[in-house]
Order: sequence, then C-alpha cells, then structure tokens
Amino acid sequence: GAVVSQHPSRVICKSGTSVKIECRSLDFQATTMFWYRQFPKQSLMLMATSNEGSKATYEQGVEKDKFLINHASLTLSTLTVTSAHPEDSSFYICSAQGPRGGDTGELFFGEGSRLTVL
Amino acid sequence: GQNIDQPTEMTATEGAIVQINCTYQTSGFNGLFWYQQHAGEAPTFLSYNVLDGLEEKGRFSSFLSRSKGYSYLLLKELQMKDSASYLCAVMDSNYQLIWGAGTKLIIKP
Repeated sequence: GAVVSQHPSRVICKSGTSVKIECRSLDFQATTMFWYRQFPKQSLMLMATSNEGSKATYEQGVEKDKFLINHASLTLSTLTVTSAHPEDSSFYICSAQGPRGGDTGELFFGEGSRLTVL
Repeated sequence: GQNIDQPTEMTATEGAIVQINCTYQTSGFNGLFWYQQHAGEAPTFLSYNVLDGLEEKGRFSSFLSRSKGYSYLLLKELQMKDSASYLCAVMDSNYQLIWGAGTKLIIKP
C-alpha cells in the first residue's frame, strides 16, 4: 500500500518554543492531507485539512495561528506548533488520501509524532 | 448532532471470534471505515463499507446496514497481536470523517 512517513516520531521541547512536524507521502502524490491530534485514551480529533497549494481548513476550536500548516508540494505537508505549552503535549498524526483519491476514502497514516512540552 | 457509538472495551480468548459493533447517526453517509490502532501507534486501515452487506478480508469481516445505521467488525481466529483499539469512522455528506472513540480489545490466552 501507499506509504506516509512522519518525522520526528518523538520530540521534547521547552515551553515557548516552536516545533515542526513533517508528513511525506513517499510513493504517491497527495493533494489532500489531514492532521489529527490524539490525547491519551481518546479518539483521533481532526485538526485541519491540508490542500496542496492552498490554505488549510481548520476545524472549529483549532487556532490557525498556533498550528501552522503548510502544504507546499504534493508530497509534503508540515505542521508547526508555535509557542508550544504543556497543554499542547499530545500525539499528532497525519494522513493522506490514497492514490485512488477520495472515492474509496482510504487514508494512509504517518507513524505519528509524540510531542512533550516541558 | 453527529454521533458514533461503539463499546469502550471488550475481552476475548485467543482462537475465538469477536464482534465489535458500531452504530452511527450522521449528516449523510459516504461510507464507514474500520481502523486498527495499537497503543502508541497510528491507525491502520482495515475495511471500507458503502453498500449494505458483508465484506470479508481474511480473518476480518465488516458488515453494514445503512437503514439501521449499524456496522460490525468480525475478527476470527483471534491472535494475541489482535489486541488493539478498533476505531469506527463514518464519512458524512461533506466527506468529513466522524470518528468513534474506539473499542479496546483485550485478547487473553
């Protein structure tokens, strides 16, 4: 199946710093990528939909100035958590629609990035 | 509002069969998905149903009844590695995925 790579897998940072997470589709072009956040023992929560070449669409309650999303190419989307605080500590996961596009709805997920803000 | 319901936790025995149910109420319907998620890892795609009936894929099968707003994931010949959370998700009329909270499946020897 299609492969999505996410980096870094784990990151620890100090409060107030910014962290960038990369999501790459390795063997297909992904016009649409999704960013999720998952707190312990909870389900995935969609943060934003990232479309190549256009501004991301954020879900209600997600601060677009705090969670900067850039989808500059068909294989790369980045999420930058700006001025991170301990409450931003979470598991962040990206996914991309598969090569067959949105018809099947099949999503391929990155490995996830565990962010710990001290 | 939109709602996906699935049991929080289930326990089954290695080698047995287990059925995880999912009921949903959404704004429109464009398919139902099942994902498997091991602790600390990202979810992996298991199945997609858009028409009524049973889809079989190896040890895993998924069933859908659109009129009842109901689906189940059936796991046969359970193995210890099947211990994971199983997430039910529905794509609504806007092609947004609505996620259930997941069912934690515990397999005992």
